[in-house]
Amino acid sequence: AQSVAQPEDQVNVAEGNPLTVKCTYSVSGNPYLFWYVQYPNRGLQFLLKYITGDNLVKGSYGFEAEFNKSQTSFHLKKPSALVSDSALYFCAVRDMPDSWGKLQFGAGTQVVVTP
Amino acid sequence: GAVVSQHPSWVICKSGTSVKIECRSLDFQATTMFWYRQFPKQSLMLMATSNEGSKATYEQGVEKDKFLINHASLTLSTLTVTSAHPEDSSFYICSASRRVQNTGELFFGEGSRLTVL
Repeated sequence: AQSVAQPEDQVNVAEGNPLTVKCTYSVSGNPYLFWYVQYPNRGLQFLLKYITGDNLVKGSYGFEAEFNKSQTSFHLKKPSALVSDSALYFCAVRDMPDSWGKLQFGAGTQVVVTP
Repeated sequence: GAVVSQHPSWVICKSGTSVKIECRSLDFQATTMFWYRQFPKQSLMLMATSNEGSKATYEQGVEKDKFLINHASLTLSTLTVTSAHPEDSSFYICSASRRVQNTGELFFGEGSRLTVL
């Protein structure tokens, strides 16, 4: 079984400050980890993924995430947040490299960036 | 590339009518398409998985006769909400995985907001 937890319902940060959105996972095999962002009344946009290789993954819009196997975490980070980063962020995991792509999503974290 | 189009974006219907939502992969062939339902400020709930040319696989608790899914081609899947009722009002999102050059991530449509009066 696979699961993912996003412990924070909401993260508030001032524009220009670092942004971190937390995610921990549980899988039986090797994890395939993803971050998506959702703006109001829109679908999900892919930000970045970890499949294998370097633990630090860089993605779209200046976001990055660090895969930490010992802590089973995949926190999303951005060095300097923008007001336009305000959105709902989802962490997702799957544990099989199959073609089905069935993902388990976290509950989501609302990010609010204030000017 | 990897654009998924969903139509309609918004739909309002009367109780008892049926509504069809289309999900198209515009620039790639999709091995598998997924249909999700999302309630306000909540996560995505997977409803069903569909593969081209075969019956959809529904998640536990999802009524297959209520939510009809057809995946007639590698670029089109449809979700029909039959005899819709107000409790079916929700945001429905589809996603697709690539048949060729599958890099792991899913590509999502923009979602369809269904309101049943």
